[in-house]
Amino acid sequence: KQEVTQIPAALSVPEGENLVLNCSFTDSAIYNLQWFRQDPGKGLTSLLLIQSSQREQTSGRLNASLDKSSGRSTLYIAASQPGDSATYLCAVRPDDYKLSFGAGTTVTVRA
Amino acid sequence: GAGVSQSPSNKVTEKGKDVELRCDPISGHTALYWYRQSLGQGLEFLIYFQGNSAPDKSGLPSDRFSAERTGGSVSTLTIQRTQQEDSAVYLCASSRQGLSSYNEQFFGPGTRLTVL
Repeated sequence: KQEVTQIPAALSVPEGENLVLNCSFTDSAIYNLQWFRQDPGKGLTSLLLIQSSQREQTSGRLNASLDKSSGRSTLYIAASQPGDSATYLCAVRPDDYKLSFGAGTTVTVRA
Repeated sequence: GAGVSQSPSNKVTEKGKDVELRCDPISGHTALYWYRQSLGQGLEFLIYFQGNSAPDKSGLPSDRFSAERTGGSVSTLTIQRTQQEDSAVYLCASSRQGLSSYNEQFFGPGTRLTVL
């Protein structure tokens, strides 16, 4: 069974600092990996999707890397802003269709 | 519509009552998924639809839970004889298709269910 772990569980940084969020998974046989953002009381917003054949994906200030062989992904958020405060979830898609989620990292960016 | 929509956004019910939760996927998306997010459990998969068929119901926690999808679009998740442990946020997602490696799942805002 695929296990997804996100470290740290919570992170607080001053505005302007770069954020580094880690995700690890136990089974490297995945189709893709998605990073999501969840605001309190809201649904999930898809941020980035990395195919298993890709090493990284970028969107604006966000960059996600994938090392499938070691079972790791890292989400980098450059020059953090208070509006980046949210919970970030990592999800891997194994050899079917259902996503296996980590517990998330709750980020607070202090103004 | 522009995104996945779910209704109601909040539902409070008494233990033992039945509830129905609705999901409208993104137009043209053939695959639809239900997940549950509860405190201490994280996000867990419930059921997957490809068109109107549900090839995987393995995540449904008990036979009190059922789901259907009609016209390849709207889906309803029904919980019979609700229990307090059913309290959670129920999230629906859709994607263009289920088994493509390029499948990206888009989520709705969820229905928060509280069973008193």
